[in-house]
Amino acid sequence: DSGVTQTPKHLITATGQRVTLRCSPRSGDLSVYWYQQSLDQGLQFLIQYYNGEERAKGNILERFSAQQFPDLHSELNLSSLELGDSALYFCASSSPSWDSGANVLTFGAGSRLTVL
Amino acid sequence: AQSVAQPEDQVNVAEGNPLTVKCTYSVSGNPYLFWYVQYPNRGLQFLLKYITGDNLVKGSYGFEAEFNKSQTSFHLKKPSALVSDSALYFCAVRERSWMDSSYKLIFGSGTRLLVRP
Repeated sequence: DSGVTQTPKHLITATGQRVTLRCSPRSGDLSVYWYQQSLDQGLQFLIQYYNGEERAKGNILERFSAQQFPDLHSELNLSSLELGDSALYFCASSSPSWDSGANVLTFGAGSRLTVL
Repeated sequence: AQSVAQPEDQVNVAEGNPLTVKCTYSVSGNPYLFWYVQYPNRGLQFLLKYITGDNLVKGSYGFEAEFNKSQTSFHLKKPSALVSDSALYFCAVRERSWMDSSYKLIFGSGTRLLVRP
């Protein structure tokens, strides 16, 4: 157990629907990162939050949004789902000393989204 | 922008033989390099990192990696492969945003390691 908790583990939904993925970071970690792993595009960085504020944005679609709450858990919202959104969505967290290189990103087990 | 490349989609090796999973990087400045492993239906697990210092880095499960600045490579190695090492391996580089000083990991495409008994 990495200490990063993601729910749900699996999710099957239909095109056009909206889903929310949840992530609880490791205790003490302030940063949360979201990554998408698909077969054809590998691991893509989506977005990062640090202590409740958006810090960096990657290849995140406009249909996707995220937030980090005061208790530091984060949610990734995916709307108007398309078949191509089917993927594994990973959350990772890091401690403040990540910036010095002293620590690493710790990943959760992922949420597998299947859009039918 | 920083990037890493994993030239092999799959590496096959017999149990007991040495294994190498290749990674090359393209960065400006000093690289912070990482290896992660992903077992089926699991998240990514950290194996090892290179920040500075010795070019040979030792990590979890008997893995090590050699940083080679002249060849811009960071190959993952293990002297004697186990069937249980079969998994997907990712090389990654830490990228800093100069706009806001945030950091993120940029991953390679992954290499599937298959260790046959």
